[in-house]
Amino acid sequence: DAEITQSPRHKITETGRQVTLACHQTWNHNNMFWYRQDLGHGLRLIHYSYGVQDTNKGEVSDGYSVSRSNTEDLPLTLESAASSQTSVYFCASSETRGRTEAFFGQGTRLTVV
Amino acid sequence: GENVEQHPSTLSVQEGDSAVIKCTYSDSASNYFPWYKQELGKGPQLIIDIRSNVGEKKDQRIAVTLNKTAKHFSLHITETQPEDSAVYFCAASIMNNNDMRFGAGTRLTVKP
Repeated sequence: DAEITQSPRHKITETGRQVTLACHQTWNHNNMFWYRQDLGHGLRLIHYSYGVQDTNKGEVSDGYSVSRSNTEDLPLTLESAASSQTSVYFCASSETRGRTEAFFGQGTRLTVV
Repeated sequence: GENVEQHPSTLSVQEGDSAVIKCTYSDSASNYFPWYKQELGKGPQLIIDIRSNVGEKKDQRIAVTLNKTAKHFSLHITETQPEDSAVYFCAASIMNNNDMRFGAGTRLTVKP
């Protein structure tokens, strides 16, 4: 069955370190997204991609970057981790640009100490 | 940009009762309104959605209503069951536009 997987599921890192969160989907979807989830804020869009070599900034992109070298993967990099980036991160993919029927991964809980 | 408010933040009901979660949005151009269910330790899953050309949509025990004039939409769950316990998120966007905004979520607890 097609799926979307994130790794790691949990990570603790120190302030200032570079961190990369992985996202891999086997739906063959062109559209992929990264969100962060914080209490009281719901899901906020960080970056998204419509296809290979395409990346776009979302609502809360400062301090994050993504790259899309193939259809299956959209890694999220925190250039210099800050305590404000402690959160749960979700990757999603969809067939349509409007994020209709988006499929979400199980999330990565990141703690920056 | 779009702003979505969701109420209540927590909701507790007895098994068999109905549950209603309400959301309001600010951008009159929004035309797509999905609802997601998130169980503990999992990612959100789409459970139902509605487009602005209809006022109500039903899927078994779940229904969503939309009032475009008042800019609010609601999720209705009837005959609630313990497995309905989860966090529910509403969202609003313009289809084919990636500026989808989510509500803050409602934690629903169904007591057996």
